Amino acid sequence: DVKVTQSSRYLVKRTGEKVFLECVQDMDHENMFWYRQDPGLGLRLIYFSYDVKMKEKGDIPEGYSVSREKKERFSLILESASTNQTSMYLCATERGPMNTEAFFGQGTRLTVV
Amino acid sequence: AQKVTQAQTEISVVEKEDVTLDCVYETRDTTYYLFWYKQPPSGELVFLIRRNSFDEQNEISGRYSWNFQKSTSSFNFTITASQVVDSAVYFCALRRGSTLGRLYFGRGTQLTVWP
Repeated sequence: DVKVTQSSRYLVKRTGEKVFLECVQDMDHENMFWYRQDPGLGLRLIYFSYDVKMKEKGDIPEGYSVSREKKERFSLILESASTNQTSMYLCATERGPMNTEAFFGQGTRLTVV
Repeated sequence: AQKVTQAQTEISVVEKEDVTLDCVYETRDTTYYLFWYKQPPSGELVFLIRRNSFDEQNEISGRYSWNFQKSTSSFNFTITASQVVDSAVYFCALRRGSTLGRLYFGRGTQLTVWP
């Protein structure tokens, strides 16, 4: 079974802090994604990566950056956390090619105070 | 532009009722893929089904069935004889055929099944 592990289930940070959300997968998948989930808005794509050291902006990249130094790890970085970044963050991976399904982590509920 | 619409924000049913979750999509691609995911209270999205645009056969898996109609750009999901364990948020999603990866999600439908 594919395992997608997000480093924290719940996180509380202060405004202005630099925040790292980590995602690790154990199935050698090429593609990794970070989504943000807010009530009534569904899932929105922040960033994704098709390969090590490669990244692509999604629909809402402002205020975020990512890092993929190793294939199995994809990190989401909030350079200076703000209260409007309080949300559920979901990491996903997929093997590729395009007709495969994505596998999701359990989510990180981030609260910025 | 790609768009997925789930018009039903919340649905409540009593156990053993049948329930249909609607999904309407927009894309100009001729090749695309449609998905349904379930998100139980634990938070992790669970894959339910994938359909490609060339396969309009309906599918049944136990109490679950899916109706894909290209003519109306719909991919509806029916749960027969609903159970309390079906309570979750259900997401419909679209992937383009011309590019790798990313999913376009609808806003989700919260299904509550009462005992």
